[in-house]
Amino acid sequence: QQQVKQSPQSLIVQKGGISIINCAYENTAFDYFPWYQQFPGKGPALLIAIRPDVSEKKEGRFTISFNKSAKQFSLHIMDSQPGDSATYFCAAGRGSTLGRLYFGRGTQLTVWP
Amino acid sequence: DTAVSQTPKYLVTQMGNDKSIKCEQNLGHDTMYWYKQDSKKFLKIMFSYNNKELIINETVPNRFSPKSPDKAHLNLHINSLELGDSAVYFCASSILDGSSYNEQFFGPGTRLTVL
Repeated sequence: QQQVKQSPQSLIVQKGGISIINCAYENTAFDYFPWYQQFPGKGPALLIAIRPDVSEKKEGRFTISFNKSAKQFSLHIMDSQPGDSATYFCAAGRGSTLGRLYFGRGTQLTVWP
Repeated sequence: DTAVSQTPKYLVTQMGNDKSIKCEQNLGHDTMYWYKQDSKKFLKIMFSYNNKELIINETVPNRFSPKSPDKAHLNLHINSLELGDSAVYFCASSILDGSSYNEQFFGPGTRLTVL
């Protein structure tokens, strides 16, 4: 079954707005939660990642919020720009799984100018 | 310098044919992966090799056979291609050091179309 559930499937945001993508997981053994960004025709690339010992991590306009008790984490993109239009994948992994990441199904973000 | 490269970028072939996709990484990583991304963009892991040893083998038809001649290369051979094999195949690499905190670097993908 899907180990990581991601929503929404698609998101349209106006330039300057806030984009929010949510993910939920079941396996409490997960200890690594990355977000990958994929532009059309390219491979996914790591955007930002968090470990469960912190509740928030911010890098520029991108912030991960992590709620361990609810088993949820989300990506917030502040001041969204047309260049942020891409597919975003959340993922989860744990140290004993040989580097394996469990990916969400992706969110197609479109930022209108 | 390209970190993870794949060839070919596009592959169009007929049902029943056999084809191979090649992947090379110059990052000095010890672990490489194959992913399949379907038309709905779902990323599904297929295989993973660590130091030429197969460590992840998902439920993939036997028609798919990975081969890792060395740490820097991972190839994917597909026999008797079917329509459902049409997808984008991504190679990725990372370092495996007992933690899961290691970034996976993805290649540009190979778009396979089976007619």
